Amino acid sequence: QVQLVESGGGLVNPGGSLRLSCAASGFTFSEYSMSWIRQAPGKGLECIAYISSSSGYTNYPDSVKGRFTISRDNAKKSLHLQMNSLRVEDTAVYYCARVPDYGDPLRYFDNWGQGTLVTVSS
Amino acid sequence: DIQMTQSPSSLSASVGDRVIITCRASRNVVSYLNWYQQIPGKAPKLLIYATSALHSGVPSRFSGSGSGTQFTLTITSLQPEDFATYFCQQSYNAPYTFGQGTKLEIK
Repeated sequence: QVQLVESGGGLVNPGGSLRLSCAASGFTFSEYSMSWIRQAPGKGLECIAYISSSSGYTNYPDSVKGRFTISRDNAKKSLHLQMNSLRVEDTAVYYCARVPDYGDPLRYFDNWGQGTLVTVSS
Repeated sequence: DIQMTQSPSSLSASVGDRVIITCRASRNVVSYLNWYQQIPGKAPKLLIYATSALHSGVPSRFSGSGSGTQFTLTITSLQPEDFATYFCQQSYNAPYTFGQGTKLEIK
């Protein structure tokens, strides 16, 4: 069955960096786009990074553009999120999610990991 | 970015009730609207994609409709496991944005 397992979360000082990873199994990773979605404590969902199956296309909202970078290694079936210049408001649970590749604009998140908590605080 | 607004923000209902949650987009998203359910402490789960297509394994008491900027999620005959928070999400334009959520509580 499809499994997505995030790792790399933790406590970091404002201005610091963190790299999240997501290990995928149970499906052909290279055939799917992937995303990182975060949820601040008690708040809603925000898609903060998207990458196409071949890594040829990425997208970020303004809230993280220039600070976060999404990448993937199809050979290792892994997804990554490099987070730099972290702010207190980046504190959230970070989920990786699978996106079936049926072509734009039919995009939805059909499988999610359990999430990893990132806390930005001094 | 396309803004998504859900109403109501919270809703109280009883087992067996029919409830309707509305999602409005700030621009036309055609039919590219998805719905998710989140139980506290768990990751969201996909319920409906492309406005009205039921994801695999989702009970038929869930249904979706709408087009353009106005969409609805209907749950008929509420079950105890349906009390959760529901989110809409558009995929017409990246970044893919979510509504703020509707918390469905037991009356």
